[in-house]
Amino acid sequence: AQKITQTQPGMFVQEKEAVTLDCTYDTSDPSYGLFWYKQPSSGEMIFLIYQGSYDQQNATEGRYSLNFQKARKSANLVISASQLGDSAMYFCAMREVGTGNQFYFGTGTSLTVIP
Amino acid sequence: GAVVSQHPSWVICKSGTSVKIECRSLDFQATTMFWYRQFPKQSLMLMATSNEGSKATYEQGVEKDKFLINHASLTLSTLTVTSAHPEDSSFYICSADSLDRGRDEQYFGPGTRLTVT
Repeated sequence: AQKITQTQPGMFVQEKEAVTLDCTYDTSDPSYGLFWYKQPSSGEMIFLIYQGSYDQQNATEGRYSLNFQKARKSANLVISASQLGDSAMYFCAMREVGTGNQFYFGTGTSLTVIP
Repeated sequence: GAVVSQHPSWVICKSGTSVKIECRSLDFQATTMFWYRQFPKQSLMLMATSNEGSKATYEQGVEKDKFLINHASLTLSTLTVTSAHPEDSSFYICSADSLDRGRDEQYFGPGTRLTVT
């Protein structure tokens, strides 16, 4: 079974609008971390936001927030007030404490911001 | 803080030659470094995990004799693609764990784009 599932290969959003990128995960480890990375065309992986499995509140970092629904095993990324520079690939990732620190990546979502 | 560099950022080599890619943690000590491979429009695929001073652990299907990994110090890991072929052309990304793992984050290098002609 896939550890991380991103079901949206491509998304479009109007500039200044909000957009939600979906991510679901599968783990039996009670201790894990969830991450979102942005990868522009240059290829660099840019860390956006982190959510720990024991965190009570949803993580926020500027325009990025993570909608963490533990029972549903979902960790959707919300980008508010989209900007043209937000156009990129977005990867959801998970790290389990019990599996030797390996990162599991989703297949990614390509976001295009339309002016 | 937590900057990881890779060198070179891009390289073109002829088929049959070997290419070495360096991954350095610039402002922290890395207990573990990871090497990933990424094909266009695909996700990152973990190739191997390396710990300083010990042999790398390769993922299933990755040829250890072709992709040589040396983790010489807490700040340097190298990936050598031996006898490169056009199918080895890809984007290679390294990442590193910090000794201070407050939130289990991996710090990624900017990647190396390899083209084998």
